[in-house]
Amino acid sequence: QKEVEQNSGPLSVPEGAIASLNCTYSDRVSQSFFWYRQYSGKSPELIMSIYSNGDKEDGRFTAQLNKASQYVSLLIRDSQPSDSATYLCAVNMNTGFQKLVFGTGTRLLVSP
Amino acid sequence: SAVISQKPSRDICQRGTSLTIQCQVDSQVTMMFWYRQQPGQSLTLIATANQGSEATYESGFVIDKFPISRPNLTFSTLTVSNMSPEDSSIYLCSVRPGSSYNEQFFGPGTRLTVL
Repeated sequence: QKEVEQNSGPLSVPEGAIASLNCTYSDRVSQSFFWYRQYSGKSPELIMSIYSNGDKEDGRFTAQLNKASQYVSLLIRDSQPSDSATYLCAVNMNTGFQKLVFGTGTRLLVSP
Repeated sequence: SAVISQKPSRDICQRGTSLTIQCQVDSQVTMMFWYRQQPGQSLTLIATANQGSEATYESGFVIDKFPISRPNLTFSTLTVSNMSPEDSSIYLCSVRPGSSYNEQFFGPGTRLTVL
């Protein structure tokens, strides 16, 4: 089992719709969870972090965490073509330097 | 968040040569990391750069191939030694400023092509 799993996509949604991106992780004691957005040819950009169960909202983005199910998700409301990118889920593993482990990313395509 | 710069932004190198990538941060940070992102792949951690001591390497990466320096809290270098085409990748510096929440930020990356 991979440490962090994501569906590679592409996930296609029309402009204005809600995009739902999902991620599962294997380490039950992980405490910190992050979503990065990566445009083609660019480096990852941190867009959301979440540390406790429930929802965390920031503008059009909502991160959801369920530690019992080892599941974290990212919702993007009112999706825009500019949201088209690869979204990487990252989990802080509770070992050593608490390194970040990344999923393979989900490619999101928002069509006008 | 910290402002991170990397040099060079890209390079094309010959097989068997070495390239040193620099990472500069505009403020002191607790931790610095080096990642590799191969074409179409996710990020793989190469090593944690430790200030004033040897880097901590992940499984599959060794100091002879990827020597790392971190002389202070704002600067680190990664050298890719004796390069082969398989080393063609994007190399990313990442920093954790030291807040209690472990947020980590990435530099712009160095795109390396080995011929």
